[in-house]
Amino acid sequence: EVQLVESGEGLVQPGGSLRLSCAASGFTFSSYAMHWVRQAPGKGLEYVSAISSNGGSTYYADSVKGRFTISRDNSKNTLYLQMGSLRAEDMAVYYCARELYAGGAFDIWGQGTMVTVSS
Amino acid sequence: AIRMTQSPSSLSASTGDRVTITCRASQGISSYLAWYQQKPGKAPKLLIYAASTLQSGVPSRFSGSGSGTDFTLTISCLQSEDFATYYCQQYYSYGTFGQGTKVEIK
Repeated sequence: EVQLVESGEGLVQPGGSLRLSCAASGFTFSSYAMHWVRQAPGKGLEYVSAISSNGGSTYYADSVKGRFTISRDNSKNTLYLQMGSLRAEDMAVYYCARELYAGGAFDIWGQGTMVTVSS
Repeated sequence: AIRMTQSPSSLSASTGDRVTITCRASQGISSYLAWYQQKPGKAPKLLIYAASTLQSGVPSRFSGSGSGTDFTLTISCLQSEDFATYYCQQYYSYGTFGQGTKVEIK
C-alpha cells in the first residue's frame, strides 16, 4: 500500500525548534518530489516547502524561509522538515505530500501531525 | 506570488443538485491547476489535476474546466459523501491554494 506517515508531533515554546518526519512506503520514494503543506486550526491549506526527488532543489514559502529546512534521506525513504524560531502562527497540522510522477498536483498525503506553539 | 481566489466561500445545496465552484488565479497558469476535497479531520484528497483530468478512482460526477486564469469544479449530482471543503491549487509556480469552499447540506 502506498503510504506516507508523519511523526514528530509536539508542543514547543515560541522560538523553539522541532523536526517532523514523513516515512514513505509502497513506492519508489527516490523517484518523487515531495512537499509539506500546513493547516492552522479552522483555516485553509498553506503551501510550505518542496524538495526535488534527489534533494538537489528546494523551495520555501516566504512565511517560513530562513526558519525551516526541508530535507530527505532516500536510503531511509524519509522526508524531513526542520522547524526553527517557531512562532504562534506556525501552529498547524503539517501534512507531507507526494507529487504526481507526471508533475504538479499532490496525489498521496500523510495523515498529518500537529505542531503546537505556546508558552 | 500567485494568488488563488475561490468563490463562493461556502454554499448550501441538496443531494442531487448540480454544484459549481470557481477559482481565479492572479496571473495566467495555463492548465496547472488541481482540485482537492477535504473532510473534517482528514487529509485532502486529489480530485482533478491539469485542470480537467480526473484522478484515478474519483467518481465521474466530478469534472473540471478552464485554463489561463479562470477555472471551475462541477459536481453534477451531489451525493451525501460530497459534503466537504474543496480547494483549488495552482502548481504553475510551486503551489498556492485557494481559501476553500465549504459545501454544506441545505
